Amino acid sequence: SQQGEEDPQALSIQEGENATMNCSYKTSINNLQWYRQNSGRGLVHLILIRSNEREKHSGRLRVTLDTSKKSSSLLITASRAADTASYFCATVPYNNNDMRFGAGTRLTVKP
Amino acid sequence: DGGITQSPKYLFRKEGQNVTLSCEQNLNHDAMYWYRQDPGQGLRLIYYSQIVNDFQKGDIAEGYSVSREKKESFPLTVTSAQKNPTAFYLCASSLAGPYYGYTFGSGTRLTVV
Repeated sequence: SQQGEEDPQALSIQEGENATMNCSYKTSINNLQWYRQNSGRGLVHLILIRSNEREKHSGRLRVTLDTSKKSSSLLITASRAADTASYFCATVPYNNNDMRFGAGTRLTVKP
Repeated sequence: DGGITQSPKYLFRKEGQNVTLSCEQNLNHDAMYWYRQDPGQGLRLIYYSQIVNDFQKGDIAEGYSVSREKKESFPLTVTSAQKNPTAFYLCASSLAGPYYGYTFGSGTRLTVV
């Protein structure tokens, strides 16, 4: 069963704008991870945030986690055409050894 | 360079045929995973293995089988019992389970003909 749900399902922005994607989940987690997938390719790991962390940064990426609301957000600042991809959140429930992926947000960045 | 390799990239299966998808990693990762992705959807877990000679069923294991005889290899067999096998299959590995990020292969696209 899928754990996380991304919102929106699709997002289209102009190059240079910021993109925000959200992920909601239902059960307590150990950590939450964000991945990127270019069309027809494998997934690439972006950021892992643990349940005791509230915010993490990596380059132009910022991830927040609110465990009280069971939600996370991924912000991509100053987007580029090369950021066009699908973005997935994945959650690792407590006392569980596997990871569950949401259906993803399809981001299109127009040059 | 370390990485995870899936082969073949494209595979065609006839009705009633078993096919095997290859997944090899040279990252010295303990854990390996198989996911299925249908168009426009997320990934669903088929099987995973945390150590050699041990594996567990995921959410959609019916019609699939795996083996883990070597640390580097985690092949997936799609059997004739899987009635709707057309999908994109992704293999992943992790240093020690889902408490670390996963490294994914580039996928195998399986089509029933």
